Amino acid sequence: QKEVEQNSGPLSVPEGAIASLNCTYSDRGSQSFFWYRQYSGKSPELIMFIYSNGDKEDGRFTAQLNKASQYVSLLIRDSQPSDSATYLCALQTGANNLFFGTGTRLTVIP
Amino acid sequence: DAGVTQSPTHLIKTRGQQVTLRCSPKSGHDTVSWYQQALGQGPQFIFQYYEEEERQRGNFPDRFSGHQFPNYSSELNVNALLLGDSALYLCASSSLEATQQETQYFGPGTRLLVL
Repeated sequence: QKEVEQNSGPLSVPEGAIASLNCTYSDRGSQSFFWYRQYSGKSPELIMFIYSNGDKEDGRFTAQLNKASQYVSLLIRDSQPSDSATYLCALQTGANNLFFGTGTRLTVIP
Repeated sequence: DAGVTQSPTHLIKTRGQQVTLRCSPKSGHDTVSWYQQALGQGPQFIFQYYEEEERQRGNFPDRFSGHQFPNYSSELNVNALLLGDSALYLCASSSLEATQQETQYFGPGTRLLVL
């Protein structure tokens, strides 16, 4: 059984701060990891994917992967009110389908 | 370049009825996956279609079935609807020609309400 656990929310940060979102997973065979952002009433939107241990940066977003500890995180620097959304962590198995966590709701306070 | 499209956007059905949801993949994509997202939950994988065949299936009953057409578009059918089938149904497309880090892009979803 593949399980993806995300840190319980909701998470509130002031505008301009760093938001840290964490995710742990149970399946050591997982190969790729994805972060999706989902605004209320909308569908998930891909932010980043990561498959190698270490950090991957894209603009204000940094994904971190540690396969030995089975966790993946997403850092959002200089958080903006428009970043307020639910962030979904997902892992991809060799079968190419995605297993999602329940999501963490982030609120950026102006 | 058209993204993933789904129809209809909203649907209301009653228990016991049948429903068909439709999806057209992103241009250049040949694989379609369907997910169910209940309120407050993450999406759950239903099944995936490639080359007009069901390639993978999640833990959903046989009431959930699908089809993929030669133009790569897909349908999700749900029979004998239950109240618990009320959810956002998401279609995602991808390409198996891509690298190992195949990414799935989601359509806008169909919100189904079963009364």
